[in-house]
Amino acid sequence: DIVMTQSPDSLAVSLGERATINCKSSQSVLHSSNNKDALAWYQQKPGQPPKLLIYWASTRESGVPDRFSGSGSGTDFTLTISSLQAEDVAVYYCQHYYGPPPSFGGGTKVEIK
Amino acid sequence: QVQVVESGGGLVKPGGSLRLSCAASGFTFSDCDMSWIRQAPGKGVEWISDIDSRSTFTCYADSVKGRFTISRDNAKNSLYLQMDSLRAEDTAVYYCVTGGTWYYASWGQGTLVTVSS
Repeated sequence: DIVMTQSPDSLAVSLGERATINCKSSQSVLHSSNNKDALAWYQQKPGQPPKLLIYWASTRESGVPDRFSGSGSGTDFTLTISSLQAEDVAVYYCQHYYGPPPSFGGGTKVEIK
Repeated sequence: QVQVVESGGGLVKPGGSLRLSCAASGFTFSDCDMSWIRQAPGKGVEWISDIDSRSTFTCYADSVKGRFTISRDNAKNSLYLQMDSLRAEDTAVYYCVTGGTWYYASWGQGTLVTVSS
């Protein structure tokens, strides 16, 4: 099974500054069907279910602000919030869907400094 | 809009059973693979099971294999999770989500299952 490892566990960023979250998979998640990486990012606010932000490593879900971007390939991926807003305080998870079983990273908590 | 609403959670004793339901609306349920995902209190997110649109294929996490059964009724736009031989470590919020072994676009608010004596 593929193991997803996120870093850091938490980070505090000033409003308007950049936040960067890393995710590493234990093996490549490059999907042969379309030559894209099967990697998604979610945002979870307290008391709410996770919300899909990014899929195929860099495709933004409809309605997600463009300050959120995904990058990376193979086994190393990054979620970047270009200019942190107060409403971005949340826990962020990466997830692979290369094949069963899909799995999630342990989460990264983003707070305001 | 897409909506999924879970029900059936509650307090159950270790070794007991519970059946979760998920009512779907706002999309063509019969075309959509579906999954159950759970989150223990204060913990991360864990996929536990999925089913394809026609109930031809099911898949389970090792942690629930042999104890949980996923099913669906496309005529009723409903997804189910039969949970048997429940353990304390099954205590979690259970989410019904659209998507099989894929990314998960739509999540319900979840239903809390507590396994305790």
